[in-house]
Amino acid sequence: KAGVTQTPRYLIKTRGQQVTLSCSPISGHRSVSWYQQTPGQGLQFLFEYFSETQRNKGNFPGRFSGRQFSNSRSEMNVSTLELGDSALYLCASSLSDRNEQFFGPGTRLTVL
Amino acid sequence: QKEVEQDPGPLSVPEGAIVSLNCTYSNSAFQYFMWYRQYSRKGPELLMYTYSSGNKEDGRFTAQVDKSSKYISLFIRDSQPSDSATYLCAMSASPSGGSYIPTFGRGTSLIVHP
Repeated sequence: KAGVTQTPRYLIKTRGQQVTLSCSPISGHRSVSWYQQTPGQGLQFLFEYFSETQRNKGNFPGRFSGRQFSNSRSEMNVSTLELGDSALYLCASSLSDRNEQFFGPGTRLTVL
Repeated sequence: QKEVEQDPGPLSVPEGAIVSLNCTYSNSAFQYFMWYRQYSRKGPELLMYTYSSGNKEDGRFTAQVDKSSKYISLFIRDSQPSDSATYLCAMSASPSGGSYIPTFGRGTSLIVHP
């Protein structure tokens, strides 16, 4: 069974731009969560989607948004990029009623 | 005080050593405990998953949970250079609205040298 895939793997943007990241979960997994990982803050929860609905949201500004499609694929968008948005963005999927999350390789975003 | 505390290390050990990685937490509602391994430039990989107090063994890995002390550990026996990675603990409470959103520790960097 294929794992979680994320595209693109690397991205360089400048301040003020916006970016869209994509995540394809493991087949059969309907829950998709997004995390931001930085050396200073570690792994921080952004939001979770289940059946195309945002089920939980972390403490991030409204510039961070996401959506999920009917095939469970998910995208997250960051608008008006700031230097502090430079991070590894990780997507994780899980079965709807299970606790174990399976992570993708991440998208490394650099904001210049 | 963060909900989950984890010493960032680095922890450097010789090959073959027994490694002990630990996390403490403050939220008594946490019931599900996980350990992830993250290699450089990769996403975290689930290693161990336990529920409630006690020990769970899987090969060279043993996860231990002491809910009374709010303390969890991961032991690695006969450590190998390939175990060199960052180890993240994670924990969650009972599902809220059907989802288990884990809280992660900052990770401990482990280096096993030959």
